[in-house]
Amino acid sequence: SQQGEEDPQALSIQEGENATMNCSYKTSINNLQWYRQNSGRGLVHLILIRSNEREKHSGRLRVTLDTSKKSSSLLITASRAADTASYFCATGSGGSYIPTFGRGTSLIVHP
Amino acid sequence: AAGVIQSPRHLIKEKRETATLKCYPIPRHDTVYWYQQGPGQDPQFLISFYEKMQSDKGSIPDRFSAQQFSDYHSELNMSSLELGDSALYFCASSLGFVETQYFGPGTRLLVL
Repeated sequence: SQQGEEDPQALSIQEGENATMNCSYKTSINNLQWYRQNSGRGLVHLILIRSNEREKHSGRLRVTLDTSKKSSSLLITASRAADTASYFCATGSGGSYIPTFGRGTSLIVHP
Repeated sequence: AAGVIQSPRHLIKEKRETATLKCYPIPRHDTVYWYQQGPGQDPQFLISFYEKMQSDKGSIPDRFSAQQFSDYHSELNMSSLELGDSALYFCASSLGFVETQYFGPGTRLLVL
């Protein structure tokens, strides 16, 4: 069964706006990662947040993790057309290093 | 910096044919993972190898097999192909078992 569920499934914004994507999961996790995938291409790792962390920043990216609500959010500030991609969250749990991916959010940033 | 290399990038096969996908990990990476991503779907883990031994097994069909060679490259062998095998197949690599994997560009397989 799927671990991560992204919300919304699709997001369309204008360049310069902020984009927020959410991920909910079902079981306890050790870490949560966010990946970006440009259309039909490889996955690019964006950021990893561990279960004992609440917030993490990387450039224009801000990730939060709320383990009590079993959810995470990815905020992209001042979006650019080049941010157009699908964004996946992936959880790691137990002793496994295999991430379990959610369905992804398709983000379109209009120039 | 060198990335994960996958070949071929595109492959078209007929039903019941076989296909072999290759993955060359980042130099010095000893762990390789295979994922399958169907159209509009999330990546699903298939199988992984560490130091040439199978380490984890996911939703890999019995018709598929894989191995990791002495130079750490890996091959995914797919037999009796079905229409539903049409997907993007990703390989990822890492140095040991760590949370962050580095993904290749993928091989797009189309089964007709």
